Amino acid sequence: NAGVMQNPRHLVRRRGQEARLRCSPMKGHSHVYWYRQLPEEGLKFMVYLQKENIIDESGMPKERFSAEFPKEGPSILRIQQVVRGDSAAYFCASSLLPGQQETQYFGPGTRLLVL
Amino acid sequence: AQRVTQPEKLLSVFKGAPVELKCNYSYSGSPELFWYVQYSRQRLQLLLRHISRESIKGFTADLNKGETSFHLKKPFAQEEDSAMYYCALSGLETSGSRLTFGEGTQLTVNP
Repeated sequence: NAGVMQNPRHLVRRRGQEARLRCSPMKGHSHVYWYRQLPEEGLKFMVYLQKENIIDESGMPKERFSAEFPKEGPSILRIQQVVRGDSAAYFCASSLLPGQQETQYFGPGTRLLVL
Repeated sequence: AQRVTQPEKLLSVFKGAPVELKCNYSYSGSPELFWYVQYSRQRLQLLLRHISRESIKGFTADLNKGETSFHLKKPFAQEEDSAMYYCALSGLETSGSRLTFGEGTQLTVNP
């Protein structure tokens, strides 16, 4: 089991461009979480998805950010019209089941740099 | 609202010394607490969780509901313990198990 995969590992975008971040959960996991880590800060929850459904997007900025987890393929976090403040590390995690006691397994992260 | 506080951004100890990484939380319900660790150039991984009440790599953590703390302890630190440590909380949400993280403590164990 290769674990949670994220790509790309590093992404450079100019202001106004779109960024697409991909996350493939661990085999058999259908619960995906996205977190953002700004410089010098801890990880902050963004969105929780199950296959084809957004369950909780309370941590997602209201504009320019969207996430999906289609029936087939990876989960995608999309940032439209990026700004310098979007520069951060974006981590994806997956779990086998939902629930307070479930372990989340993290990917290596995507480092986004907006020029 | 739930919140996790790790008061020390940096912690430096000598090999063989005891180490304690502090974590305090605020949550009105019954939380699940976790410690995650990130070694250099590696991904974030679970170190231990309070419900398991186990010791991993010599580390233990006890949930103190009275003091709302979940400090991580090890009696004799090793150089390979040098890493970034994050305390995290999972509340009893209806929407899964999202984690609230502290800002992390960078532990350095000197030879």
